[in-house]
Amino acid sequence: GESVGLHLPTLSVQEGDNSIINCAYSNSASDYFIWYKQESGKGPQFIIDIRSNMDKRQGQRVTVLLNKTVKHLSLQIAATQPGDSAVYFCAERGFGNEKLTFGTGTRLTIIP
Amino acid sequence: AAGVIQSPRHLIKEKRETATLKCYPIPRHDTVYWYQQGPGQDPQFLISFYEKMQSDKGSIPDRFSAQQFSDYHSELNMSSLELGDSALYFCASSSTSPSGAYNEQFFGPGTRLTVL
Repeated sequence: GESVGLHLPTLSVQEGDNSIINCAYSNSASDYFIWYKQESGKGPQFIIDIRSNMDKRQGQRVTVLLNKTVKHLSLQIAATQPGDSAVYFCAERGFGNEKLTFGTGTRLTIIP
Repeated sequence: AAGVIQSPRHLIKEKRETATLKCYPIPRHDTVYWYQQGPGQDPQFLISFYEKMQSDKGSIPDRFSAQQFSDYHSELNMSSLELGDSALYFCASSSTSPSGAYNEQFFGPGTRLTVL
């Protein structure tokens, strides 16, 4: 399929290494944050989420960190694999407001 | 597991034509969202429906309209198409928890609209 994110920030990581993708959000009233993975020609796929009352949440090989003071979100992927190559978006939502506001994506490329 | 279905997957139209995109949410999901993603852009929220009523509206042009039907599927109608409407259009669905808990939005594969 046709790729998206032709002019997105890029990050290249050696297979097996850890990667960190950063995101700045704008709305201090946002209550819920999500990281999505988007592969070429596909819709965004949920990876992990975090509520505003938390500063860290871990999943399988992924960790999300939230710094509300500076409105910053990060996604850490451990032991990266070729299948992790994709565009990653952070998204935010306000309390009771279900629409998602996406941040600028980052294209992650895993080098075999 | 059943996923969100969108049709068609690809659509080519000429300027000033109309297009209709369809979205079939995951069974028992009552909320549908439409997003537009231009080349190299992040998805932008257009409009959402809960129980067949419009629940929120984003940056949707007046030339576009949408509705949710009794079977919960949704259609996005686009008229007087412009070159700038060329984009990926995603539909997402979720179920609303009475407790107000945040429910994951599941995205469909998208419809790629090309306006010539």
